[in-house]
Amino acid sequence: DSGVTQTPKHLITATGQRVTLRCSPRSGDLSVYWYQQSLDQGLQFLIQYYNGEERAKGNILERFSAQQFPDLHSELNLSSLELGDSALYFCASRRLAGGFGELFFGEGSRLTVL
Amino acid sequence: TQLLEQSPQFLSIQEGENLTVYCNSSSVFSSLQWYRQEPGEGPVLLVTVVTGGEVKKLKRLTFQFGDARKDSSLHITAAQPGDTGLYLCAGALVGSQGNLIFGKGTKLSVKP
Repeated sequence: DSGVTQTPKHLITATGQRVTLRCSPRSGDLSVYWYQQSLDQGLQFLIQYYNGEERAKGNILERFSAQQFPDLHSELNLSSLELGDSALYFCASRRLAGGFGELFFGEGSRLTVL
Repeated sequence: TQLLEQSPQFLSIQEGENLTVYCNSSSVFSSLQWYRQEPGEGPVLLVTVVTGGEVKKLKRLTFQFGDARKDSSLHITAAQPGDTGLYLCAGALVGSQGNLIFGKGTKLSVKP
């Protein structure tokens, strides 16, 4: 158990819809990262938050947005969903914003867009 | 273009064999990590290497960071079925916020 909690574990929805994925980081971790994992692209970095503020952006589409709340949990919002958005979405946390620290991953949210 | 290229993509071997997985890039990394991921779970850190030329051992696993900090390898001696999984290398580019860029992974299957 990494200490990172993601909900829901599985989600099936239709194209054009909007979903919200939730992540609770490990206790004491201030930094939250979102990754998308698909078979052809591997694990792609989407966005990072540190103590409530956006720190870095990766390959995140404009249809996607995220935020980190004062209690440090984070949400990833995916809208106008397309078939190609079907993937595993991972949240990871780390104590600080950078450095060489370990990333602790949740078990992921599997999104299927039909 | 993938910043971190891992090879091979798939590897199926018999128990007891040795294997090496490679992680290559044209970019310089301040650190490189290896993770292992099992089905239905998130990646779990195996090791972090920071210094060029660094070698770290974790039981039957040996990790090496290239002298120029552009590449890394993972060598497993006498592989066991429990080593089966997806091995991912991940690097933090020099000057980045420590954000990790992942390779696509090597899917290892060790048959008894």
